[in-house]
Amino acid sequence: DTGVSQDPRHKITKRGQNVTFRCDPISEHNRLYWYRQTLGQGPEFLTYFQNEAQLEKSRLLSDRFSAERPKGSFSTLEIQRTEQGDSAMYLCASSSSTSGYNEQFFGPGTRLTVL
Amino acid sequence: AQKVTQAQTEISVVEKEDVTLDCVYETRDTTYYLFWYKQPPSGELVFLIRRNSFDEQNEISGRYSWNFQKSTSSFNFTITASQVVDSAVYFCALITHSGGGADGLTFGKGTHLIIQP
Repeated sequence: DTGVSQDPRHKITKRGQNVTFRCDPISEHNRLYWYRQTLGQGPEFLTYFQNEAQLEKSRLLSDRFSAERPKGSFSTLEIQRTEQGDSAMYLCASSSSTSGYNEQFFGPGTRLTVL
Repeated sequence: AQKVTQAQTEISVVEKEDVTLDCVYETRDTTYYLFWYKQPPSGELVFLIRRNSFDEQNEISGRYSWNFQKSTSSFNFTITASQVVDSAVYFCALITHSGGGADGLTFGKGTHLIIQP
């Protein structure tokens, strides 16, 4: 059983550049979540997809952030005009809606450093 | 809005001691789910347990046990006979039914557990 994978694992970029991250969820999972985690804090919810529909976005998700899940499988998270405050670990999680609110399985994360 | 509080920022114990990690939650929903996750130094969050609001039975899994008390809005986690491999950051999290799962998990700030040999 393949878990959640994320690519790249690390990204270093200069302020003002655009970056894109990819998440491949567990294949039979229809729910996909993006979170952001800064040092010493718990993950904070960014956005949620059920199949290909983006159903919820946190107020943390500024206009510079956009996420897609075009075919209800993998998802991408793009950050435009990166700022130093965007430096964080970006986590993807997936779950199944077959029975209640099942546990979310997390990927290894993409660590973003904005110089 | 919901909130999860893990008041213990860091706990350090000697191997083989028992240790309890506290978790207090706030929500107005009557239907919700509570979780514990472990984040080892490698960084990947590992699911430990899920409990729904209608099931207050305590659970034991090997050296791990969980105590859910709705009266005090607490969901505490105890490790018995701790081992060095238990060293990690542990997160308590909550998701509510009213959001349909769409609002994601609300995490506490985590407790950094250090098990000294």
